[in-house]
Amino acid sequence: QKEVEQDPGPLSVPEGAIVSLNCTYSNSAFQYFMWYRQYSRKGPELLMYTYSSGNKEDGRFTAQVDKSSKYISLFIRDSQPSDSATYLCASKGSNYKLTFGKGTLLTVNP
Amino acid sequence: KAGVTQTPRYLIKTRGQQVTLSCSPISGHRSVSWYQQTPGQGLQFLFEYFSETQRNKGNFPGRFSGRQFSNSRSEMNVSTLELGDSALYLCASSTTGEMNEKLFFGSGTQLSVL
Repeated sequence: QKEVEQDPGPLSVPEGAIVSLNCTYSNSAFQYFMWYRQYSRKGPELLMYTYSSGNKEDGRFTAQVDKSSKYISLFIRDSQPSDSATYLCASKGSNYKLTFGKGTLLTVNP
Repeated sequence: KAGVTQTPRYLIKTRGQQVTLSCSPISGHRSVSWYQQTPGQGLQFLFEYFSETQRNKGNFPGRFSGRQFSNSRSEMNVSTLELGDSALYLCASSTTGEMNEKLFFGSGTQLSVL
């Protein structure tokens, strides 16, 4: 079992839809959780960074962490074609490295 | 503030050759880590350096090596290239690499092995 599992999709939604992206993790040592957005042929760009269970909002993006069920989510409201990208969840424990999910390819259709 | 810079952007090599990739972290960042990204395996951790010392290494063969210089710039080397080494190699930096720090990535070096 991989330490971070993420549904690879692909996910296709119409413009304006609410998008829900989800990951689960198995390592209880993970304490910090991140969402990255990666456009084709580019490096990952940090979108959201959370530590505690609960919600964190930044504009149209909301990251949610439930440590009791080891579940992390990213919600995108009013999705735009420019949101079309691969979204990667990542978790960090105590050993200087990020462990990534495989990424979900999102397409927002105008 | 300049971001993480990786050079070269693209590389084409043949099997058996070796390759060196370069990474300049964000100014003030002393932790540099490397990741390999492939369609099949996603992003996988290669190694992390801080103050010229490797602190953690992923599950890759010894053909993959790295180093960090006193100015925090880092290089990674892959010897005896195999077809399966074709991937996007990403460098990331943070201030000290500690658990609560955010990690910032460069655009990567796309390596193709023929």
